Amino acid sequence: EVHLLESGGGLVQPGGSLRLSCIASGFTFNNYAMTWVRQAPGKGLEWVAFITSSGGTSFADSVKGRFTISRDNFDNTLFLQMNRLRAEDTAIYYCAKDFYHSGSYPVDWGQGTLVTVSS
Amino acid sequence: QLVLTQSPSASASLGASVKLTCTLSSDHSDYPIAWHQLQPEKGPRYLMKFNSDGSHTKGDEIPNRFSGSTSGAERYLTISSLQSEDEGDYYCQTWGTGVMVFGGGTKLTVL
Repeated sequence: EVHLLESGGGLVQPGGSLRLSCIASGFTFNNYAMTWVRQAPGKGLEWVAFITSSGGTSFADSVKGRFTISRDNFDNTLFLQMNRLRAEDTAIYYCAKDFYHSGSYPVDWGQGTLVTVSS
Repeated sequence: QLVLTQSPSASASLGASVKLTCTLSSDHSDYPIAWHQLQPEKGPRYLMKFNSDGSHTKGDEIPNRFSGSTSGAERYLTISSLQSEDEGDYYCQTWGTGVMVFGGGTKLTVL
């Protein structure tokens, strides 16, 4: 059974940084692309970034240049480094396993971790 | 620009059927989409992937009450025999080279 567990969320001031982690189990991690999706309060799901099985990355325009995504295939862990955070980055951040080795559609989701950007 | 459009809300009675619509931008009418469910206080759940030719792949343990169909640029999710636990938000999602896109979501109320 696929299991995805996010951590690292919390309260951070505008302009600050935060690093989210997602520990994966139940599948061959390095064979699949992985994705971060977020949901701001009262809003819908928004794609943030994905990383392919070979390490290629893509980002939403709203986070490009501020966020980086990476993966550790030895520890089956996905990361999201978030810098220069803004109030509008406040959201629940979900980690998801893709169907393919490249970014396409999520087929397994974590429970999410809450990030609050506020002074 | 790759865009998905969904109606903000839908409602139907317990035991009835409801059909949710997702419309692809005109230049992308042959794109596949995926449907995801977001229940209150839970993480998202993948329901199914739907292709423009009508073929589809369901997620694990998704009941047969959930089905998909297509017409041109529109992709539909039909939920029959509605149950209270079907209440929540439903999102369609697609992808292109280096990008993923979600629709705005439809909030389903089971009356």
